[in-house]
Formats: sequence, structure tokens, C-alpha cells
Amino acid sequence: NAGVTQTPKFRVLKTGQSMTLLCAQDMNHEYMYWYRQDPGMGLRLIHYSVGEGTTAKGEVPDGYNVSRLKKQNFLLGLESAAPSQTSVYFCASSYRAGGSTDTQYFGPGTRLTVL
Amino acid sequence: GDSVTQMEGPVTLSEEAFLTINCTYTATGYPSLFWYVQYPGEGLQLLLKATKADDKGSNKGFEATYRKETTSFHLEKGSVQVSDSAVYFCALSRMIKAAGNKLTFGGGTRVLVKP
Repeated sequence: NAGVTQTPKFRVLKTGQSMTLLCAQDMNHEYMYWYRQDPGMGLRLIHYSVGEGTTAKGEVPDGYNVSRLKKQNFLLGLESAAPSQTSVYFCASSYRAGGSTDTQYFGPGTRLTVL
Repeated sequence: GDSVTQMEGPVTLSEEAFLTINCTYTATGYPSLFWYVQYPGEGLQLLLKATKADDKGSNKGFEATYRKETTSFHLEKGSVQVSDSAVYFCALSRMIKAAGNKLTFGGGTRVLVKP
């Protein structure tokens, strides 16, 4: 049981390049989330998904797209990377919308630098 | 909107000292409250949570009590160890209809415990 895994762990991009971050979970969770972590700002929600085939915008969605073609995977795409997207990206998942008490389980993170 | 404020760090302590990290929140309704911990190079892990007023969450010697009257959820540990060195995040969660539980994080507090 690996929990939540993220690929890659590190990446350096040039401005304007594109890339996709992969998140996978083996806990059969319905809900998946993408966050970015910036110094002093905690984690901010980018996009989330409440089930296979559905996605929705979070707090800071601009410049990102997502897809959830399979229940266990949640992809985050950057079509044209900008230096402002330099950050650490975390994926999380939770079992269900049983209420505000559900625990989110986090992956180890992807450190992205855009030059 | 929802917000979480926690004390800025870094907090530097000696081993066996008492640790307190203050956390206050602003939210409508009755959110659940969480403390997450991030060890160096890792993702976030749930440390403890409380789901209603006057609940006390506890884990690994850490405790926090949900105080609705002061909108606070301060984290405490009576005797810290070097292994407690990490970044601690306070967060609140509200159930968003058809959207899972939405986590709002504080900015994080870095704790460094010296031998």
C-alpha cells in the first residue's frame, strides 16, 4: 500500500515549456486535490476532483489544467510555465464527502522551478 | 471567507522544553480543525484533529483543544524531542456540497529542537 505517490519529485522548466505532474493513489479514494505550497502562505488549492471524470477549480486555478480519467490518477498540467509557478506541488486524496471530518492524505510533493 | 492564522516561526527550543503553537481561525458554521506536520523533505501528515467545540485531539504527545469561544486551536507538547523538528500547519475544514471537504491552511510554523 503506497498511499499517495507523485511523479516527478523535482523538475526544472524554462518559461513557456509545458509539463504534466502525475498523482496516483491506491486507497480507492473518491476525492483528489492539487495544492501548491509557497513560503509563508501555507497550501492553496489549485483544482480538485470529486470523482472519475469530474474536476473543479480551487482557489488558484489560473495557468493550470487537470484531468481525472481514472479514479486512481489525477494529473496537473502546465501548458505554458511561468516563473510565478515555481513552487512545491502536493497532491492529496480523501475517501468521501462524509463531512468536514474526512482526513486528506498527502503525497511527498513535486518541487518545480521555472526559469 | 475562511482563514487560519498561526504564529510565525521559526520557533527554536531545547530538547524537553514545552512547545506551544498558537492558531486562530475565522469561519462560518462549524468547521473541523486539524494540525498537520511536515518533516523535512516529506509531504504533510495528519497529526491530530477535532471535529466539534471542546473536543481535544491528541497524538504522539501533542494536544490541541477546539475552543469555539476564542476561535482557537493551539497546539501543545509538554516535552519536545529533536525528532519533533518540522513545520506545523493548522487547518480548518468545511464541507462544500458536492465538492468534498475544503481545507484552509495557515502559513505554517517551523519548529527547530536542539539537543
